[in-house]
Amino acid sequence: EAQVTQNPRYLITVTGKKLTVTCSQNMNHEYMSWYRQDPGLGLRQIYYSMNVEVTDKGDVPEGYKVSRKEKRNFPLILESPSPNQTSLYFCASSLSWGREQFFGPGTRLTVL
Amino acid sequence: SQQGEEDPQALSIQEGENATMNCSYKTSINNLQWYRQNSGRGLVHLILIRSNEREKHSGRLRVTLDTSKKSSSLLITASRAADTASYFCATDPGNQFYFGTGTSLTVIP
Repeated sequence: EAQVTQNPRYLITVTGKKLTVTCSQNMNHEYMSWYRQDPGLGLRQIYYSMNVEVTDKGDVPEGYKVSRKEKRNFPLILESPSPNQTSLYFCASSLSWGREQFFGPGTRLTVL
Repeated sequence: SQQGEEDPQALSIQEGENATMNCSYKTSINNLQWYRQNSGRGLVHLILIRSNEREKHSGRLRVTLDTSKKSSSLLITASRAADTASYFCATDPGNQFYFGTGTSLTVIP
């Protein structure tokens, strides 16, 4: 089944404790992206990747890192999480930029 | 922010009625897409309209695009209770995607 998977789905952590949210797609998509969704603010793009080893900042990249070493994986790294990073995070992929995006199920992160 | 905005923020209609929601955006685009989100779940793609298209249909969905006004509308005809969800428009200037803040649609059976 064609899909985007994210892990974990739920995470409660404390300020400053490094964490990684994994994202994987099995559709051989070139474009991958991370978003955060906050009430009243819609979805905001954090980072995106046009292809392997090519990543770039989105609208709200501060406090996040990404890597794209393989085509299928695009992990999101929070080196030192803070409470303002409490949010619902979505990974998405598409065949290429500008095409239909497929979204993962979301990761609900709470930073205490 | 280059984020789009949907209007209205919330819409409540009876089953069988039509629902119209609008999206305004700020910069030139290549494509405009509409997505649906059921409470807290991942977004699902509905339809894509290119900047050189004015109207597109897909089943009960009709999308229009007016690039001179930087606006788009999504019409859902003969709505069903299962259409209850949030609807977002997304634009793609540059290599990024910008989503609007969404319209919350409630269809009352």
